Amino acid sequence: NAGVTQTPKFQVLKTGQSMTLQCAQDMNHNSMYWYRQDPGMGLRLIYYSASEGTTDKGEVPNGYNVSRLNKREFSLRLESAAPSQTSVYFCASSPRVYTEAFFGQGTRLTVV
Amino acid sequence: AQTVTQSQPEMSVQEAETVTLSCTYDTSESDYYLFWYKQPPSRQMILVIRQEAYKQQNATENRFSVNFQKAAKSFSLKISDSQLGDAAMYFCAYRSLETSGSRLTFGEGTQLTVNP
Repeated sequence: NAGVTQTPKFQVLKTGQSMTLQCAQDMNHNSMYWYRQDPGMGLRLIYYSASEGTTDKGEVPNGYNVSRLNKREFSLRLESAAPSQTSVYFCASSPRVYTEAFFGQGTRLTVV
Repeated sequence: AQTVTQSQPEMSVQEAETVTLSCTYDTSESDYYLFWYKQPPSRQMILVIRQEAYKQQNATENRFSVNFQKAAKSFSLKISDSQLGDAAMYFCAYRSLETSGSRLTFGEGTQLTVNP
């Protein structure tokens, strides 16, 4: 079972470059999420998609855009990377409100 | 908005002993879920235990149990007979059932060290 798959696992970007983090889940889940993890701050929600065709901002959306391409895929785009976006990014999915979320393995992104 | 607070950035325990990790949260909602996740050095987020707010009985999963105090908005995790493999970052999380998307809100995390 693949679960939630994120690519890439590691990435180094120069300031001003753009990139897209890919996320796919094979569990037929309705809701998908993007979090960033920074030391001492836990995981903070960037964007989420409650269902296919909808996306909404979370706590820290500035500098990011998302696309819910279909039920399986939810991508996160950095249009012009900044050093403050150096972080570990997690994609997660959830089938319904009464369960936990399932996480990908994370992407460690460094912006220099 | 809901907030989750873990006031212990680091904890340590001797192998085979018991440790309790603290978590408090703030909400005006009456129905919600609470979780503890474990994050080992591999970075993978692993669900440890889940508690439904409408249930008074504390959840238990093998050596892991919670002390859920709804009125006090407290949700602590007790690890009994600690093992070396329990060493990890532990996150407390709150799941709203009323907010659109039902997203998870996380605490800051507690780094647990298990000493042999």
